[in-house]
Parts: sequence; structure tokens; C-alpha cells
Amino acid sequence: KNEVEQSPQNLTAQEGEFITINCSYSVGISALHWLQQHPGGGIVSLFMLSSGKKKHGRLIATINIQEKHSSLHITASHPRDSAVYICAALYGNKLVFGAGTILRVKS
Amino acid sequence: SQTIHQWPATLVQPVGSPLSLECTVEGTSNPNLYWYRQAAGRGLQLLFYSVGIGQISSEVPQNLSASRPQDRQFILSSKKLLLSDSGFYLCAWSSHRGLGWGESGYTFGSGTRLTVV
Repeated sequence: KNEVEQSPQNLTAQEGEFITINCSYSVGISALHWLQQHPGGGIVSLFMLSSGKKKHGRLIATINIQEKHSSLHITASHPRDSAVYICAALYGNKLVFGAGTILRVKS
Repeated sequence: SQTIHQWPATLVQPVGSPLSLECTVEGTSNPNLYWYRQAAGRGLQLLFYSVGIGQISSEVPQNLSASRPQDRQFILSSKKLLLSDSGFYLCAWSSHRGLGWGESGYTFGSGTRLTVV
């Protein structure tokens, strides 16, 4: 069965903290997405990974193919980073989504 | 450039009423189209996908149906809504060409939050 497991489910951080969200998946994926869902529900695609690491501003995404694991890091977190972060693995031509991590950054 | 339009953004409907959510894609042809649903406290779940006009595959049996009357139009419907149909519905598209490693090409709509009362 194609599954995606995310942790933690909920995360509260103080402004400025370094944040890590984890994602594990089954074999056979061709790519992995990290998405951000705002409180209103709209979804923004942050990264699409197949290997190594990608960085955009304060966001860093890594993937370890052998370990079947990906992480999303946020450096110098800010209250505006508060959102739901979702990883999604591409199995064939279908995305399978994790349940999401609810992040709240307090000032 | 490719864009995807999904509407409405929010919708409140009474139990038993019909539903029609529309998704259209611009800037590409013959896309794969998808409808996902996110129930409260759960991850997004694939409901339907389509690889071409009139071709619909259903992933989960439910009270909903999908149609693709035109190449770049994907419609999610229900004849009679249930309370359990409440949730966040997301349309997405991907390229129809073969996907190599690291190629995803998924683009997401902005979503529709449906509340059935």
C-alpha cells in the first residue's frame, strides 16, 4: 500500500526557532512534494524533490532516497510561517498525501 | 503559462441539495486532472482522476461523481449532498507526458471549502 506518514502532527514553536517536519514514504515514488496550506485552505506548492536538497529563502527540503524519508526545515521561524505543511509522494501518476503538520509559531 | 481555476472558494449547501464544483485549466492540453478531498483532521484523499475527455476513474466509492466534458474542464458533482460531504475539495492537474524521475508537474487549484448544513 502506498502510504505517507508525517510527524509531528502538531508543532508549536517560538519565533526564531529552527523547525523540522518529517515525512516517510513507501518505495516506488518518483517525486515528493512539500505543500503549505494557509488557514483559509489555499494550497501553495513549496518544493518538489527527487534527490538531495532544495532551498528557498528560510525553507529547506531534503530527501534521503535510501531511508525513504524527507524533511522540511524552517530557519528563523516567524509567526507568518504558521500554517499546515503537507508532504505528498508521487506514486506513478498519483499523489498520496500525508495528514499534514499544523505549525504555530508564537511571537 | 499554465494556470488552474477552481470555484467557488467557499460554499454552504443544505443536506439533500445538488453540488457542482468546476475546475478549468489554461495553458496546456490533454492534462491529467484530479479531484481531492480533505475531511476535517485528515489528509487529502484522491477522489477521481481523468486522463482524457470522458475518462473518469474513481478511487473511493462515495456520494459524488465527476465528469470531464472538455479537455481542460473537470467537474465534481453530487445529486444529493450528505453532511459527510463537508470538507475541502482540491483540483489539480499534471502533465500527460511520461514522468521521469523527479518530474511531477502537479499544479493545484486554490480549493473549495464546502460546508453541508
